[in-house]
Amino acid sequence: DAGVTQSPTHLIKTRGQHVTLRCSPISGHKSVSWYQQVLGQGPQFIFQYYEKEERGRGNFPDRFSARQFPNYSSELNVNALLLGDSALYLCASSPDPPRAGNTIYFGEGSWLTVV
Amino acid sequence: GENVEQHPSTLSVQEGDSAVIKCTYSDSASNYFPWYKQELGKGPQLIIDIRSNVGEKKDQRIAVTLNKTAKHFSLHITETQPEDSAVYFCAASIILSGYSTLTFGKGTMLLVSP
Repeated sequence: DAGVTQSPTHLIKTRGQHVTLRCSPISGHKSVSWYQQVLGQGPQFIFQYYEKEERGRGNFPDRFSARQFPNYSSELNVNALLLGDSALYLCASSPDPPRAGNTIYFGEGSWLTVV
Repeated sequence: GENVEQHPSTLSVQEGDSAVIKCTYSDSASNYFPWYKQELGKGPQLIIDIRSNVGEKKDQRIAVTLNKTAKHFSLHITETQPEDSAVYFCAASIILSGYSTLTFGKGTMLLVSP
């Protein structure tokens, strides 16, 4: 079975531009979360979606937005890119509704470099 | 919010030795503690997890212990092999206003020398 798949794997953008990152969860998983991992740090929570509804948001500016589609895939959008947005963006899926104790599986991530 | 501290930041061992990574968490409401292994250029891979109603869990060469009173949990790897070399992250899961999130430690780089 395919794991969590993300695209693109690598991309380079210029400051001020916009980026869209895509994620397909494991088949049957309805919960998708997004995390940002800056080099040398652990992942930080950005968003959680379940059944196409935003369930939670981390401490990120409004330039970050996301959505989940009827097939449970998801997009993360970042506007007005800053150099500090350079990071590995990880998508994670879970088979269960949002609750503590969910087993969460990560994709390989999308490496974003802002120049 | 939740805060997870992880030590050490780097750990070098000889092949065959044991490795121990320790984490502490701050929020007593956290009740699920996964460990992830991240190899260079890849996403985190779940290797073992433990829930708050269990004190210890073992899977072959890997074991995790949890002390809820002390808010402390540890990863133990026995008979280390060079392929165990990677960055290991501990995390704590908490439910907040209808959603759940993982709070990660800063990671431990494990180097296993042949």
